[in-house]
This record gives sequence, C-alpha cells and structure tokens, in this order.
Amino acid sequence: DQQVKQNSPSLSVQEGRISILNCDYTNSMFDYFLWYKKYPAEGPTFLISISSIKDKNEDGRFTVFLNKSAKHLSLHIVPSQPGDSAVYFCAATIGGSQGNLIFGKGTKLSVKP
Amino acid sequence: ETGVTQTPRHLVMGMTNKKSLKCEQHLGHNAMYWYKQSAKKPLELMFVYSLEERVENNSVPSRFSPECPNSSHLFLHLHTLQPEDSALYLCASSLKTGSLRPEAFFGQGTRLTVV
Repeated sequence: DQQVKQNSPSLSVQEGRISILNCDYTNSMFDYFLWYKKYPAEGPTFLISISSIKDKNEDGRFTVFLNKSAKHLSLHIVPSQPGDSAVYFCAATIGGSQGNLIFGKGTKLSVKP
Repeated sequence: ETGVTQTPRHLVMGMTNKKSLKCEQHLGHNAMYWYKQSAKKPLELMFVYSLEERVENNSVPSRFSPECPNSSHLFLHLHTLQPEDSALYLCASSLKTGSLRPEAFFGQGTRLTVV
C-alpha cells in the first residue's frame, strides 16, 4: 500500500503560467515533507521542504502548501519555465531527522514555451 | 553536482556475474542509503546505514549485499541477479542524527541491466 501518492503521472503547462503538483499521504505520523526534482539520467535533487508545524513554505518561484487535515500537499511553481520540465517526486519522513524518505511515483512536468 | 558520486553510471551484467556498485560522499553526512527505481514505481528504499551500521534492510533479496566500510563510502555487491532486477540504483546520503533538515542528497545513479 502506497503511503505517498502522486495521482497525476504527468502535467503540461504553458511557460509563464502556474504549475501545481499534488501529493497525498496516508500516514498521519509523517511530520516532514519534501519535493525532489529529477532530470533524465540524473539523480533526484532536493527542491523544497516543509515541516508539519507549518502550512506554507516559499523559496523563490517555489511554494509548498501543506493541509494536514486533508493529508495533502502541493507544490506551486510560478512562473513556470521550460527548464522546470522534469519529474517531481513528493517524499515524506517520520521523526524529522530520521531521513528515511518515502517517495511517491512522481509527476512529469512539461513546460511548453 | 550534489556531492554524491556513483560508479559506474551504466552496467550490463549476466545473471551469473558478480559486480559491485560504488557510492562516495564527502559531505560530512553520517547516513547513506541505497534506493531502487524501477519503471513506473516509486523510489524504493533498500538499505540504510547510519554511522556505518546497517539499520534497515527493507526485505531485499540476499543477492543484493551492501557494505559500508566508512562513513564516506557505500557499496552494493550484486550476484546471481535476475532480469527483473534491472533498474536505476540510487545512492543517497544525509545527516541522520542531530539535524532538523533530513534532506537526502542523491547520486546520479547506476543504470543496471541484467541480461
């Protein structure tokens, strides 16, 4: 049973518009959430994270929102750029510093010029 | 460049071969991980080493054998693999203790094909 779910395998967005990537989780013990970005032939790179004590974290064009009651988080990218085209993985962990990440299957984002 | 280096980048091996994957980090991290990424599946955690001690083995078949000789190096020894073991194998490292930021840094992965 998947504990972290990314139900949209792909998303296509026009350059300059907002990209919204969604992630749902089932384990209420998760207390730290992360987004990773992965280009083909490369390993995932850390993008942004959020602790369960917050509901929003912003870093430049990237904002992550957390809705604990719905067990849902989302990544907003605005404005989207062609270089943002990649696979985005949502991950969650228990215990903050434990570091054992549970990943979703990923969403492939395509940003068209 | 994330500071985690994996070699080789690509590997083709027969089912009777023995090979090893290598991972190296000089980030001062105290935990290292092996993940497996198969097509259309989430990244699956295989092994966790914390302070050079194996702390987790997620029901991985014995044909995969990890080794962590020191905090900077991690190996995955492979023997008598099956074609379904073909996947991207990713190494990662993190600060597992005493850190409020558990982000893992990943290597570029080894694309393994078992023939």
